[in-house]
Amino acid sequence: KAGVTQTPRYLIKTRGQQVTLSCSPISGHRSVSWYQQTPGQGLQFLFEYFSETQRNKGNFPGRFSGRQFSNSRSEMNVSTLELGDSALYLCASSLVGQSTGELFFGEGSRLTVL
Amino acid sequence: GQQVMQIPQYQHVQEGEDFTTYCNSSTTLSNIQWYKQRPGGHPVFLIQLVKSGEVKKQKRLTFQFGEAKKNSSLHITATQTTDVGTYFCAGTTNNAGNNRKLIWGLGTSLAVNP
Repeated sequence: KAGVTQTPRYLIKTRGQQVTLSCSPISGHRSVSWYQQTPGQGLQFLFEYFSETQRNKGNFPGRFSGRQFSNSRSEMNVSTLELGDSALYLCASSLVGQSTGELFFGEGSRLTVL
Repeated sequence: GQQVMQIPQYQHVQEGEDFTTYCNSSTTLSNIQWYKQRPGGHPVFLIQLVKSGEVKKQKRLTFQFGEAKKNSSLHITATQTTDVGTYFCAGTTNNAGNNRKLIWGLGTSLAVNP
């Protein structure tokens, strides 16, 4: 079956702009989690969505938001971009939730903010 | 707050040597997962441990979950160049329902000299 698909794979933005990233989970998976990965900082949890509801949220400012659609596809948005937002954004899907089982990660969207 | 400490941060070995990475949680965990991320890639699930004192093997990889369910280790016997990457542990806290969180270690980056 198809894996987790993230688009776009690469993007370059300038400070102050906003960006929307998309994630299509594995068919049948209802949970989508988003992570920010920067060198030396590991995986920083942004939020988890399950059946269109935000189930958990990490410690990121309100500029970071997300949503999940009825087909389980998810988007995350970052507004008023800052240089420090440059990172690899990873989406992970799971059947019932990230705390209970295997996470399947997408290839990620690499964001560069100039 | 709840933390998962992972050590060492980096490890450089000669091919054929053994390698171990350790995860230590400040609180009792419900389960622990291990992931491997190859350079330039995305995290890939290796295993989940649930029971106290559990030991699981996958070929040259041995995973252990401590009796108190606060520590875990991943041991690789006779490393190969294909083992290169960053190994992450992620523990699920023992809270109930939606208060359960997946806490990630910062990862151990393994380099293998051929």
